Amino acid sequence: DSGVTQTPKHLITATGQRVTLRCSPRSGDLSVYWYQQSLDQGLQFLIQYYNGEERAKGNILERFSAQQFPDLHSELNLSSLELGDSALYFCASSAPGRSGYTFGSGTRLTVV
Amino acid sequence: GQSLEQPSEVTAVEGAIVQINCTYQTSGFYGLSWYQQHDGGAPTFLSYNALDGLEETGRFSSFLSRSDSYGYLLLQELQMKDSASYFCAVTSRDSNYQLIWGAGTKLIIKP
Repeated sequence: DSGVTQTPKHLITATGQRVTLRCSPRSGDLSVYWYQQSLDQGLQFLIQYYNGEERAKGNILERFSAQQFPDLHSELNLSSLELGDSALYFCASSAPGRSGYTFGSGTRLTVV
Repeated sequence: GQSLEQPSEVTAVEGAIVQINCTYQTSGFYGLSWYQQHDGGAPTFLSYNALDGLEETGRFSSFLSRSDSYGYLLLQELQMKDSASYFCAVTSRDSNYQLIWGAGTKLIIKP
């Protein structure tokens, strides 16, 4: 257990639908990152939050949005889903002074 | 722009030593990280180099040469469980300290 919790682990939904992925960072970590990884591809950075505020944006589609709540958990909302959105979505957290990101086990999203 | 290059695939024999190279182009370089990812699993942090030289952690070592914009991950006494993808990632001031990721190297280990 890495300390970063992601739910659900698997999600199957139809095109056009909307889903919400949830992430609880490691205890004490203020930064949360969302990544998308398509089959046999690298990690695509989507967005970062730090202590409730958006810190950086990557290649995040307009159909996607995220937020971080006062208890530091974060949600990634994906709407108007397309087949190409099928991927593994990872959440990671980090803390100043600690090297590296700690990743959750991911949510495997399948759009049918 | 910023970019990283690493081989897409490396094959090695169990018990051997393998080196996975990573070259990068970035301005405002801050540090180089390595992550391991097994198929279907989460990336796991392995090492971080901010200064030139070799960092050793058990069977794994990571090296950085800032002047050459180059680093490598060295895996010794390879075990079958080391079969995974290995990603290098750069942190730079110009990317607002966001990790810029390489495309990953798939390490295949043969008995």
